[in-house]
Amino acid sequence: DTAVSQTPKYLVTQMGNDKSIKCEQNLGHDTMYWYKQDSKKFLKIMFSYNNKELIINETVPNRFSPKSPDKAHLNLHINSLELGDSAVYFCASSSQEEGLDTQYFGPGTRLTVL
Amino acid sequence: RKEVEQDPGPFNVPEGATVAFNCTYSNSASQSFFWYRQDCRKEPKLLMSVYSSGNEDGRFTAQLNRASQYISLLIRDSKLSDSATYLCVTDSSYKLIFGSGTRLLVRP
Repeated sequence: DTAVSQTPKYLVTQMGNDKSIKCEQNLGHDTMYWYKQDSKKFLKIMFSYNNKELIINETVPNRFSPKSPDKAHLNLHINSLELGDSAVYFCASSSQEEGLDTQYFGPGTRLTVL
Repeated sequence: RKEVEQDPGPFNVPEGATVAFNCTYSNSASQSFFWYRQDCRKEPKLLMSVYSSGNEDGRFTAQLNRASQYISLLIRDSKLSDSATYLCVTDSSYKLIFGSGTRLLVRP
């Protein structure tokens, strides 16, 4: 009955590969997010979707492409992985009712690019 | 200048101590303020919102000083389970801006 779930939890891959991370929330929220937390622990937003529409797109390389098949899912596809992509990627969700600032995070996907 | 700045710590305190963290933010237009808690290798979780009048939740008290653009978190009677990283968070242009966190270690 996990509220926000992500798969995989760990991902180790070689430079140049393409990989995807999946996120699902069962809270009935209408807004979902992807964040990146680097080795210095800064948590920075990458993308935000509201009802399957992209509403925030930070200055992220276009190798990163989010996709929201429905409002309960937000996946992240990364092409041509680079060493600097190594980080923990968190998915989060929020609702208009509770306030978009109250965000519920998934457990994170620890990506290591070799 | 970072949008949200925090002392990274660690703050190393004995059980039962009172400890306070401050954070400063640069965007004077920020409207919402929060403290999130992040345990080692876990996701951030909302600890409490911060209101202009100050607010308290059990052993935790949060204060906001808009004039000086800083937010504080006071933890009284520290428990071992309070050991974590505390993230100061504000909003800007419909997104949350996180500080890099202040690490708290509570020792027996």
